Amino acid sequence: DAGVIQSPRHEVTEMGQEVTLRCKPISGHDYLFWYRQTMMRGLELLIYFNNNVPIDDSGMPEDRFSAKMPNASFSTLKIQPSEPRDSAVYFCASSSTGTAYEQYFGPGTRLTVT
Amino acid sequence: GEDVEQSLFLSVREGDSSVINCTYTDSSSTYLYWYKQEPGAGLQLLTYIFSNMDMKQDQRLTVLLNKKDKHLSLRIADTQTGDSAIYFCAESGMNSGYSTLTFGKGTMLLVSP
Repeated sequence: DAGVIQSPRHEVTEMGQEVTLRCKPISGHDYLFWYRQTMMRGLELLIYFNNNVPIDDSGMPEDRFSAKMPNASFSTLKIQPSEPRDSAVYFCASSSTGTAYEQYFGPGTRLTVT
Repeated sequence: GEDVEQSLFLSVREGDSSVINCTYTDSSSTYLYWYKQEPGAGLQLLTYIFSNMDMKQDQRLTVLLNKKDKHLSLRIADTQTGDSAIYFCAESGMNSGYSTLTFGKGTMLLVSP
């Protein structure tokens, strides 16, 4: 398996623009997670899906952030409009229903909003 | 809520043992994990331990769990320069019926030749 795939790897955009981050989970995994990593706050869980349904979005910062999972092999995280404080590395992770709950992470998307 | 604490930085010489420590607050944690993050990469699962175990060994890695003190450690024997990375401790707790992970802020391990 290729692992969790994220695109783009790097994104630079201007404040006010819409940004869409993409994720393809590991085939057969039924949980998908979006995290944000910053120096100040570390790794924060934004939202997670089970069988394509959002289960907990309490970590989503505000209404400018939205996430979708239209099918089992694709998810998006959208920021509209983007702000400089959104600059961070965004990770997608997936896991299967199992006993150890281990999650497998993608390489991340480094977002810079100027 | 749950909290996971780690020291921020550790520096060792190549060949020495490294010990990275972690404390957590959630007494209902079922599994505890160690992840490794190399520069520019995602988090890679190194190992995990079930909460009813005291120790787990996997090649150069030894995980010790003191459930009474809620203390977890990762020992890397014969540390190599390739072990330089950020190491994250995480614990699993129940959230909306599924076990989500709570991560510490990470310990940066620097291995010098």
